[in-house]
Amino acid sequence: GAVVSQHPSRVICKSGTSVKIECRSLDFQATTMFWYRQFPKKSLMLMATSNEGSKATYEQGVEKDKFLINHASLTLSTLTVTSAHPEDSSFYICSSHLYQETQYFGPGTRLLVL
Amino acid sequence: EDKVVQSPLSLVVHEGDTVTLNCSYEVTNFRSLLWYKQEKKAPTFLFMLTSSGIEKKSGRLSSILDKKELFSILNITATQTGDSAVYLCAVASNTGKLIFGQGTTLQVKP
Repeated sequence: GAVVSQHPSRVICKSGTSVKIECRSLDFQATTMFWYRQFPKKSLMLMATSNEGSKATYEQGVEKDKFLINHASLTLSTLTVTSAHPEDSSFYICSSHLYQETQYFGPGTRLLVL
Repeated sequence: EDKVVQSPLSLVVHEGDTVTLNCSYEVTNFRSLLWYKQEKKAPTFLFMLTSSGIEKKSGRLSSILDKKELFSILNITATQTGDSAVYLCAVASNTGKLIFGQGTTLQVKP
């Protein structure tokens, strides 16, 4: 199957700092990538759809200025959590298509904000 | 509002048992239904279903979709402790977005 990588896999930061998470498609070009967050014992919630060369589409309730998404190339999308707070601590996962609706997920990034 | 509902939310069985996980949905512009298995990391893909009544099978796992009644089931036969995980059902709409259910936590005891 397709391979999607994420970096870093785990990050601990202080409140008020910004954290950048990278999502790469390793063996295919991804015009669209999706960013999810998952709280403990909860399901995945779609945050935004990242579109190569254009602005991301955010889901209702997700702050655009807080969760900055950049999709500058066909293999890389980044999510920056700005001015992170403890409530932003979560598991962030990206995914992309290889074929139509079959989404393949990256390994996820566990963010802990102190 | 689009929604995907899974049941049961959690299940404890013994090795060798057969389990059936349920997923019902109400999603406009339905394209496909997907099943994922999630252990401690990100979900891994199991099945994608687009047509009613056609069973997909992979080893001890199988799944089927009923587009008239708007549900899908995931069966696991002869369960093993390695099957312990959260099983996620998701529906893809025309836009490509996935709407996830709450997940079913399966624990298989030796």
